[in-house]
Amino acid sequence: EVQLVETGGGLVQPGKSLKLTCATSGFTFSTAWMHWVRQSPEKRLEWIARIKDKSNNYATDYVESVKGRFTISRDDSKSSVYLQMNSLKEEDTATYYCTVGFDYWGQGVMVTVSS
Amino acid sequence: DVVMTQTPVSLSVAIGQPASISCKSSQSLVGTSGKTYLNWLLQRPGQSPKRLIYLVSKLDSGIPDRFSGSGSETDFTLKISRVEADDLGVYYCLQGTHFPWTFGGGTKLELK
Repeated sequence: EVQLVETGGGLVQPGKSLKLTCATSGFTFSTAWMHWVRQSPEKRLEWIARIKDKSNNYATDYVESVKGRFTISRDDSKSSVYLQMNSLKEEDTATYYCTVGFDYWGQGVMVTVSS
Repeated sequence: DVVMTQTPVSLSVAIGQPASISCKSSQSLVGTSGKTYLNWLLQRPGQSPKRLIYLVSKLDSGIPDRFSGSGSETDFTLKISRVEADDLGVYYCLQGTHFPWTFGGGTKLELK
């Protein structure tokens, strides 16, 4: 059974940092391209980052609104993908999901950026 | 970025009746490979999104054939032949042809 579990969310002040973890099981993580998607409080979905596999040099892509602030990474030995979020803004408040191919999704983790 | 426009915003349907949702993209979703990367997802209340259809019309494993997808270029449709209670939630289209991937605004399916 495919499972993705996100952790690391919470309440953080503007300008601070947070790191999300997505632990996975049930599929061949090492060859999977992993994504982070967020859902705003208004329920709009936004793709924010992708990381490819080793054969593609772990190439990464980001949506413009997080470029330079967020970093996606992975640890194939732990079947986990991460999202390091720096210089957080109030508009980053959302539920963050990791997904493999948009086929399987985690349960999501809430991030609230507020002073 | 490609803008995905879904209509209607909400849909009230009786059990056993058909339902149809439209998704229009601001540019053609035909990729350089000739494939069209248009997906449909359902987010049931309190749950994560779940993909139903990929490549316009291919059903994901376990998805009943009451669901069907069609369309081309910029105009796509999700149809449910006979709505069941388990179909309630918000439906999203998602394009994966052009970077960055973009979602439609969602269509909420409610019971009449």
